[in-house]
Order: sequence, then C-alpha cells, then structure tokens
Amino acid sequence: GIQVEQSPPDLILQEGANSTLRCNFSDSVNNLQWFHQNPWGQLINLFYIPSGTKQNGRLSATTVATERYSLLYISSSQTTDSGVYFCAVEAGYGGSQGNLIFGKGTKLSVKP
Amino acid sequence: DTGVSQDPRHKITKRGQNVTFRCDPISEHNRLYWYRQTLGQGPEFLTYFQNEAQLEKSRLLSDRFSAERPKGSFSTLEIQRTEQGDSAMYLCASSARDRESEKLFFGSGTQLSVL
Repeated sequence: GIQVEQSPPDLILQEGANSTLRCNFSDSVNNLQWFHQNPWGQLINLFYIPSGTKQNGRLSATTVATERYSLLYISSSQTTDSGVYFCAVEAGYGGSQGNLIFGKGTKLSVKP
Repeated sequence: DTGVSQDPRHKITKRGQNVTFRCDPISEHNRLYWYRQTLGQGPEFLTYFQNEAQLEKSRLLSDRFSAERPKGSFSTLEIQRTEQGDSAMYLCASSARDRESEKLFFGSGTQLSVL
C-alpha cells in the first residue's frame, strides 16, 4: 500500500518563527489533506490539496504531485499552533475510495 | 452546521463486554468514516459509508466489530467481546465528497479504555 512519511517528527519553535513541514508519499494520489490535531485531541482540517498551492491566513500548502511530496508552511507561529500536524493521502489508482492513509505526524511545540 | 458529533466522549469497560458508539455527521454530508487512533500514531481507517451503504472495510475491522448507518444519517460502531487491545480513540468523520473538495471533518472522538 501507499506509504506516507512526514518530517521532521518533532519541531520546537519560538513564537513568531516560520516553519516548513514535509510530507512524502510513495505513489500517485488523488486526495491529500493536511490536519492539525490540537492538544485536546480535536482534528481540524487545514487543507484539501491534491495538487497546487493554497493559502489560508498564516498557513499555506503546496503539493507537487509529480514529485510525490507536499509542504505545509506556517508563518509567524503562535502558541495556539502547537499540536500534531498530519498529512493524509488516498492512492490515485487501485486504492480504496475513502481510505485516507495518515502519516505519523509532526509534533510542533511553539514556545512563548 | 453543528459539526460531527460523537457519543459518548469516554467509555470505560471491562474485557469481554460489548460497547456501542454513535456518530452524527454534518447533516448534508453523504459520506461517513470511522477511524481508530492510538497514542502517538495517526488515525487508521476502519470503514466508511456512502449514504447507508458500507463501501469499504479495513482488515483492522475484525469480526467483533460492526458498523451500521441504517438511514444514511447517524452511524453506530459496535465492538463485541472487547479486548484490552481495543483501547483507543475512535474517531468519526464525514465529507460531502463533491468535486470541489473532499475534505474530511472529524468529531471529537470516543476514548475507549478496556480494563
């Protein structure tokens, strides 16, 4: 099955710093989403981005499907950005419809 | 839009007992998903429904697990004869699955502890 690798596994930032999180996947995808799981466990959908670039406030994401990676950019980080960021993909062919495969996540801690 | 609702938030049970969880998706969403998450891991897919039809089940979903979505609205996930290894957060999600976006929206989850 498709493999999803996220890096770095852990990241500590000072408030105000910028960061880039990476998601590599092993096969073509027709669905890629980024999620933020806050310290209370709630998963929030950040982006649906199987290809191209999107921006939402201080967050932006880029997926280069032909090279099998996606990047999540966080600018001017705030303490509320802390939590775990997950990348999830669905295989582009032969895969199960609706079966998003999650990476292990990047744990982000933003210090005041 | 009240979001995806799950009940209960926490469930503590003894090994061998049966448990049932409920999920109410976002009202206009036709797809409903169940995932399981253990500490330090990403969510793992269990099963999903399009309307009332269960279209996919993971190999993780043993015979002790059954999910239903009888009228294409809310869904239940039942675990029979619970084992300690079933302890996890059970997450429900829904999506509209249209061509503009296939975003999944998750509920807060049900934390199951099997003693």
